[in-house]
Amino acid sequence: KQEVTQIPAALSVPEGENLVLNCSFTDSAIYNLQWFRQDPGKGLTSLLLIQSSQREQTSGRLNASLDKSSGRSTLYIAASQPGDSATYLCAVRSNYGQNFVFGPGTRLSVLP
Amino acid sequence: DTAVSQTPKYLVTQMGNDKSIKCEQNLGHDTMYWYKQDSKKFLKIMFSYNNKELIINETVPNRFSPKSPDKAHLNLHINSLELGDSAVYFCASSQDLWTGGIYGYTFGSGTRLTVV
Repeated sequence: KQEVTQIPAALSVPEGENLVLNCSFTDSAIYNLQWFRQDPGKGLTSLLLIQSSQREQTSGRLNASLDKSSGRSTLYIAASQPGDSATYLCAVRSNYGQNFVFGPGTRLSVLP
Repeated sequence: DTAVSQTPKYLVTQMGNDKSIKCEQNLGHDTMYWYKQDSKKFLKIMFSYNNKELIINETVPNRFSPKSPDKAHLNLHINSLELGDSAVYFCASSQDLWTGGIYGYTFGSGTRLTVV
């Protein structure tokens, strides 16, 4: 059974810092992995989707990497801004699974 | 143009009532899902439907009954509501069942259910 964890649970940084959020999964037989952000009281916004054959995806200041063999993905945020404050969730789709399994999220606060 | 829309956004109701949450997607996706996000913010799958057919039914009480009248709609009906049902319920869709499609999941904005 796939299990997904995220470290740290919460992170507070000053504006302008580069930061890394971590996602770990127990079963490396994954189909793809998706990073979302969730603003308080809101739905989930898709940030990046990495297929199992890919090693990274980039969108603007965001870069997500995937290392299937070690069961890890990282989300790198460059030059963080207060508007980046949100909860970041990673979700893993296993080869045998029919749905995404979500991690518990990392709550990010970027201070002006 | 909202891709996945849920109604209502907020729902406050008394214990024992029956309520429904509606979900519609205009993306032409084959697969739709219901997820529950509890007070600790964990997102867990409840149901998935592929082309109107039930695929996943996790260990959810049978008071919860999904209904998919067509590929674009997946509604969630809840009977005899209990205090523990209070949570945020998210609808999502994906291009197909097995791959999640090249775009993965698209989520609705959620329905915050409060049972009093």
